[in-house]
Amino acid sequence: EVQLVESGGGLVQPGRSLKLSCVASGFTFSNYGMNWIRQAPGKGLEWVAYISSGSSYIYYAETVKGRFTISRDNAKNTLYLQMTSLRSEDTALYYCARRLNYGGYYFDYWGQGVMVTVSS
Amino acid sequence: DIQMTQSPASLSASLGETISIECRASEDIYSNLAWYQQKSGKSPQLLIYAANRLQDGVPSRFSGSGSGTQYSLKISGMQPEDEGDYFCLQGSKFPTFGGGTKLELK
Repeated sequence: EVQLVESGGGLVQPGRSLKLSCVASGFTFSNYGMNWIRQAPGKGLEWVAYISSGSSYIYYAETVKGRFTISRDNAKNTLYLQMTSLRSEDTALYYCARRLNYGGYYFDYWGQGVMVTVSS
Repeated sequence: DIQMTQSPASLSASLGETISIECRASEDIYSNLAWYQQKSGKSPQLLIYAANRLQDGVPSRFSGSGSGTQYSLKISGMQPEDEGDYFCLQGSKFPTFGGGTKLELK
C-alpha cells in the first residue's frame, strides 16, 4: 500500500524557517517524481514545488521561488521542503504527493498533510 | 501561469441525477487535465487524468471529456458518497488548480 507521511509542521513566526519531511513507503520511491502542494484554510489547492526522481529537474511556484527548497533522499525514501523567510500567506496544510508515471503533471497519491501556521 | 476557471462553485444534486462540472483554461492545455474529489478532512483523490482517463479503482459513473481550453467532469447517477469538493488541475510543468466545486446531495 502506498503511504506518504508528512511531518515537521507547526507554528512559526514570520521571517523564520521550517523544514517539512515526507516519508514514503509501499512503492519504489526513487522511480517517481514528487511534489509539495498546499491548501490554505478554507481555500483551494496550490502546487508548490516538484522534484524529479533523480533530482535533475526541480520547479517552483512563483509564490515560493527563492524562499523554498525541495530536495529528496532516495536512500531514506524521504522528500523534504525547506521553507525560509516565511510569511503569513504561507499558512496552509502542506501535502506531499506522488507524480503519476504517465506524462503530464498529475498527482496520484497524497499524504494526509501537515499544518504550517505562520504567525507572531 | 495558466489560469483555471471552474464552474459552478456549488451544486446540489438528487440521488441518481447526472451532473457536470466545467473547467476552462486560459490557454490551450492539450488535454493535460485532471479531476480530483476531496471529502471533508481528507486528501484529494485522483478521478480522471489526461482529460478522459479513469484512474484505477474509480467508479465508471465518473467520466471526463474536453479538449483545448474547455473540459468537463460528468457523474452519471449521483450517489451519497459522491458528496464533496471537486477540483480540476491543469497538468503542465507548472500545475494550477481550479477554484473548486462543492457538490451536495439534495
